[in-house]
Amino acid sequence: KNEVEQSPQNLTAQEGEFITINCSYSVGISALHWLQQHPGGGIVSLFMLSSGKKKHGRLIATINIQEKHSSLHITASHPRDSAVYICAVRTGNQFYFGTGTSLTVIP
Amino acid sequence: GAGVSQSPRYKVTKRGQDVALRCDPISGHVSLYWYRQALGQGPEFLTYFNYEAQQDKSGLPNDRFSAERPEGSISTLTIQRTEQRDSAMYRCARIPGQKEDQPQHFGDGTRLSIL
Repeated sequence: KNEVEQSPQNLTAQEGEFITINCSYSVGISALHWLQQHPGGGIVSLFMLSSGKKKHGRLIATINIQEKHSSLHITASHPRDSAVYICAVRTGNQFYFGTGTSLTVIP
Repeated sequence: GAGVSQSPRYKVTKRGQDVALRCDPISGHVSLYWYRQALGQGPEFLTYFNYEAQQDKSGLPNDRFSAERPEGSISTLTIQRTEQRDSAMYRCARIPGQKEDQPQHFGDGTRLSIL
């Protein structure tokens, strides 16, 4: 049983498309993180949310605490957005991670 | 990356050998986490330190795995009598403060391959 489920597992999009990646979790959380893992393996923190919505450039993250669900949106997608996007939730001092969504944006 | 240095970047060793993986949270600080990441999977929690105190080691797979952070800065994850199933990417991450609204900063990881 995974505490964090992501969908889809794999996603291919044409450049310019609007992309949505979903994350559902089953535990009580204090924060939810969206991470980006580059093909070279490095992991970068994109967002940390405990409520509502955050925006950074073309990236938007939302969370619905009651429904235990978060979405990551990418507007006007670009090939450089190709990466694995990982959802992680914090409960106490523990972190649980989804298995990631592999995004490929085709020119 | 992100103020966390891990070494070595790659480690290849024979089954049965002991390995020590190092994590230096260059910028400090308070909380340090160790994770293991298998190919195609998200990171899996191993253990967590608050300063030098190991607060939670519930994710360590068995007693061949141990970790220490004696001076509250650099941490070492040790795997004794390695087995092939230990092959994975091992990552550490730091959290600058104790508040729960702090992001994690990940190192680039150590890719461990057991032959």
